[in-house]
Amino acid sequence: ETGVTQTPRHLVMGMTNKKSLKCEQHLGHNAMYWYKQSAKKPLELMFVYSLEERVENNSVPSRFSPECPNSSHLFLHLHTLQPEDSALYLCASSRDYGDGYTFGSGTRLTVV
Amino acid sequence: KQEVTQIPAALSVPEGENLVLNCSFTDSAIYNLQWFRQDPGKGLTSLLLIQSSQREQTSGRLNASLDKSSGRSTLYIAASQPGDSATYLCAVRIPSGNTPLVFGKGTRLSVIA
Repeated sequence: ETGVTQTPRHLVMGMTNKKSLKCEQHLGHNAMYWYKQSAKKPLELMFVYSLEERVENNSVPSRFSPECPNSSHLFLHLHTLQPEDSALYLCASSRDYGDGYTFGSGTRLTVV
Repeated sequence: KQEVTQIPAALSVPEGENLVLNCSFTDSAIYNLQWFRQDPGKGLTSLLLIQSSQREQTSGRLNASLDKSSGRSTLYIAASQPGDSATYLCAVRIPSGNTPLVFGKGTRLSVIA
């Protein structure tokens, strides 16, 4: 474990389902991130939360909805996804700009 | 816009060989540079973090260098082992803009026993 825990590790969902991904960190970090990793593409930043406020939304479709109830928890709510949304979704956290990122193990999402 | 390039995209070496992975970035205005390792289907494991004021960092058989003015970093792996087989990702943290951490596409390393 890296200090950032993601659940579930694997998720298969239909296009009409609603599901949520969860991320938790107890490293004392004040920023949390969602990244998407598709095959043969660089990691894509989706959302950034700093001090529980969303500071970045990188043109992500509204079928992805993030939630950050406190500085230790981050959720990604999913609804009416498309097959092309199948990917590895990674959560990360950091402290300030001088620090590195700590990543979770990811959730492998398959949309059928 | 900051762009990160990693060369080569894939590398296969025999066990025991020393090797160098390359990373270049287009804008020298960075806070730090971080090297990660990723095993297939898994998350990213941080290997080394180099602050913008530093020239290199070492951890065990790994040594990472940073030349900020030329926009380059290298990851040196000594005495490679089959367990080193993974994808290695380079990322720079930028002080402004919409993308705090910018990644390269990675180098996929295979160490053959």
